[in-house]
Amino acid sequence: EADIYQTPRYLVIGTGKKITLECSQTMGHDKMYWYQQDPGMELHLIHYSYGVNSTEKGDLSSESTVSRIRTEHFPLTLESARPSHTSQYLCASSELGGRGANEKLFFGSGTQLSVL
Amino acid sequence: QKEVEQDPGPLSVPEGAIVSLNCTYSNSAFQYFMWYRQYSRKGPELLMYTYSSGNKEDGRFTAQVDKSSKYISLFIRDSQPSDSATYLCAMADNTNAGKSTFGDGTTLTVKP
Repeated sequence: EADIYQTPRYLVIGTGKKITLECSQTMGHDKMYWYQQDPGMELHLIHYSYGVNSTEKGDLSSESTVSRIRTEHFPLTLESARPSHTSQYLCASSELGGRGANEKLFFGSGTQLSVL
Repeated sequence: QKEVEQDPGPLSVPEGAIVSLNCTYSNSAFQYFMWYRQYSRKGPELLMYTYSSGNKEDGRFTAQVDKSSKYISLFIRDSQPSDSATYLCAMADNTNAGKSTFGDGTTLTVKP
């Protein structure tokens, strides 16, 4: 079944640790995104990718980095986690090209990150 | 001022009620209008998608876009407890393909 998967679902970690949030999709989509969501607040785009070896920063400044070595995989890394990074991180994908195709986002279930 | 403003809620209605969820926006370049539904501890799922102005109906859901007033609405008829979720409006223009701007969301509870 075509889907988008995020692991882990929940992560509690100490300050200063390096973490990687995993995201994989089996829909064959070219575009992938990372959003940050705090309770009651809008989604903020932090990274996106048009395809393999393409990565761009989003509207919200983030200390995280991403990579896109394979079409289906778009991991997000924090080199040194801090309490200010506590948030929900949502991965999404969409088709590339065609009117409106980019705007139909398919989201994973998210990773709730807590940094102590 | 935020580009997209969404009625904050929360909203609580009895089962069977008609629900109206609304967003206003300031960017006249927006042409794509989406509604996402997000259940607790889940990612958003696309519910309705509209290009430009007009109405779109899908079962109990109707999306309306009024570009002249910069106002969009989502109507839910015969609301069910399973409709209890947070609803997010989102919008995009042609020049920033794939970079949707989201509202803060409205949390809806439908009581049996």
